[in-house]
Amino acid sequence: QVQLQESGPGLVKPSETLSLTCTVSGGSIGSYYWSWIRQPPGKGLEWIGYIYYSGSTHYNPSLKSRVTISVDTSKNQFSLKLSSVTAADTAVYYCARDRLVVAAEHYYYGMDVWGQGTTVTVSS
Amino acid sequence: DIQMTQSPSTLSASVGDRVTITCRASQSISNWLAWYQQKPGKAPKLLIYKASSLESGVPSRFSGSGSGTEFTLTISSLQPDDFATFYCQQYNSYSRTFGQGTKVEIK
Repeated sequence: QVQLQESGPGLVKPSETLSLTCTVSGGSIGSYYWSWIRQPPGKGLEWIGYIYYSGSTHYNPSLKSRVTISVDTSKNQFSLKLSSVTAADTAVYYCARDRLVVAAEHYYYGMDVWGQGTTVTVSS
Repeated sequence: DIQMTQSPSTLSASVGDRVTITCRASQSISNWLAWYQQKPGKAPKLLIYKASSLESGVPSRFSGSGSGTEFTLTISSLQPDDFATFYCQQYNSYSRTFGQGTKVEIK
């Protein structure tokens, strides 16, 4: 079955750019939407944004100015970049498969496959 | 942005209890609502999608209902494995928002 694995530095300095990659195995990245979600220590979940395999994106308005999500279909990977990080960006970052079908209308079926999460700490 | 409000924030219950968690949206989202269960140190797990559809492999004691702005997740008979934090999540016009979570604790 499809599995997701996040990878990237666990420590990032303030004002720098956080970069993470999610590798999709056991299936193709094609035909699905793929989201990034984060969870600060002891807090709830925050959706960061998604990318469709074709490259189209949509971001959380509260993070939009600092977020870039990209996809590399040849590697079956998608990536997150978050710029100008502060301590408030310290969190566990998850990638997930996001079941949205866009036809004449939108049909949404939830995020059914998640990575295990990777902890990113912002500190000098 | 659509805001999602869950209640209660914490719930104390015993094994065998019927448990209900409520999620309210700040505007109508039709039935585009999902419920997740998260255990400490683990990724969330999808339980319910489209407000009332049970994800494959999820026990039938979990059920969801509602449409528009008010939704509920019900656990018909709480089991030891169910103590966790539950989140609702909405979809609307390409955006998604999670509720703040409801922690179900052992009474």
